[in-house]
Amino acid sequence: GQNIDQPTEMTATEGAIVQINCTYQTSGFNGLFWYQQHAGEAPTFLSYNVLDGLEEKGRFSSFLSRSKGYSYLLLKELQMKDSASYLCAVSHGSSNTGKLIFGQGTTLQVKP
Amino acid sequence: SQTIHQWPATLVQPVGSPLSLECTVEGTSNPNLYWYRQAAGRGLQLLFYSVGIGQISSEVPQNLSASRPQDRQFILSSKKLLLSDSGFYLCAWSASGGQYFGPGTRLTVT
Repeated sequence: GQNIDQPTEMTATEGAIVQINCTYQTSGFNGLFWYQQHAGEAPTFLSYNVLDGLEEKGRFSSFLSRSKGYSYLLLKELQMKDSASYLCAVSHGSSNTGKLIFGQGTTLQVKP
Repeated sequence: SQTIHQWPATLVQPVGSPLSLECTVEGTSNPNLYWYRQAAGRGLQLLFYSVGIGQISSEVPQNLSASRPQDRQFILSSKKLLLSDSGFYLCAWSASGGQYFGPGTRLTVT
């Protein structure tokens, strides 16, 4: 079957660093996405990894290990506005379809 | 730049009524288009995707259908809504290296 696992909830302190892990088992792999979703809003795209290694974008970084079926999203210098749900998604199947399967999301609460 | 529109933003419909949700994309041609649903407290589930005009693939058996009458227009429909159709409906388009969501339609079936 196809499965994506993320922790349900995490709590961190403003200014700190937090790492959100994601493990996956899918039929085929064309890339891994991370999204941020604030309550009541649509998900916004954060990052896309297709090769192993670390991709850095400002305060956010995403890492992928395809052999381990593992990714993490690293958030640095946490701000209160980073309180949101973070969704891990894997693109699978034929590469031209772009179909995504999502994890249940990790709700991050940033405290002062 | 590319933008994606969905309407309406919110909708309350009685059980058994029809549904039509519309999604349009600007600033790109021949995009892949997707309909997802997010039930309360649940993850996103892919309902339909389309790689071109008139080409629709359904991912899960359900009470809904989709159509793509124009290159950048994607429509989600139902003839008779069920209570279980309530949720947050999201349209998305994809390009190499990203898949981007519209603002969504929050549907409540009463």
